[in-house]
Amino acid sequence: EAGVAQSPRYKIIEKRQSVAFWCNPISGHATLYWYQQILGQGPKLLIQFQNNGVVDDSQLPKDRFSAERLKGVDSTLKIQPAKLEDSAVYLCASSSTRGREPYGYTFGSGTRLTVV
Amino acid sequence: KNQVEQSPQSLIILEGKNCTLQCNYTVSPFSNLRWYKQDTGRGPVSLTIMTFSENTKSNGRYTATLDADTKQSSLHITASQLSDSASYICVVSPNFGNEKLTFGTGTRLTIIP
Repeated sequence: EAGVAQSPRYKIIEKRQSVAFWCNPISGHATLYWYQQILGQGPKLLIQFQNNGVVDDSQLPKDRFSAERLKGVDSTLKIQPAKLEDSAVYLCASSSTRGREPYGYTFGSGTRLTVV
Repeated sequence: KNQVEQSPQSLIILEGKNCTLQCNYTVSPFSNLRWYKQDTGRGPVSLTIMTFSENTKSNGRYTATLDADTKQSSLHITASQLSDSASYICVVSPNFGNEKLTFGTGTRLTIIP
């Protein structure tokens, strides 16, 4: 089974520039999550999609962050304009509610963003 | 407020030695607790998942324990290897459906030869 794919792996941008991250979840996983992980901290949920609808975006800084999940499959996360404090690893995860186990809740390798 | 606290924050041990990482949580309701291993620059990888009715689960040299009454969990690593160097994150979920995970800040484990 292919894992959660993310790109790019690394990105360095100047503050006030914009950046976009892409995520392709595991096939058939209805739920997709974007997390922000600052160095030395645990991941913080930014947004959760169920198919192509938003379930939870309460911690998404909506003045600069946006995310979409077209057709309930791939997703993109955008930051515009970026700030220095946005430097972090952005993790995408997907899960399925079918079956006994939770439920292939799987993380991608992440995109490491450095804002200079 | 739902919280997951882990200790120690960091740990250095010699290769071949055993170690135990601790996790205390205040998440309620409680459905399951997971331990993840996160290598530097990579996403977290699941090691074990336990529901409230399970008090131990093993995955190779990793053994997790859970005491749902005291809301404590531990991860024991036996015969450590250099490849065990990573961050270990304790994660608690209130349900199996619409997952709303609460993450600990992790324990940074370094194995030295």
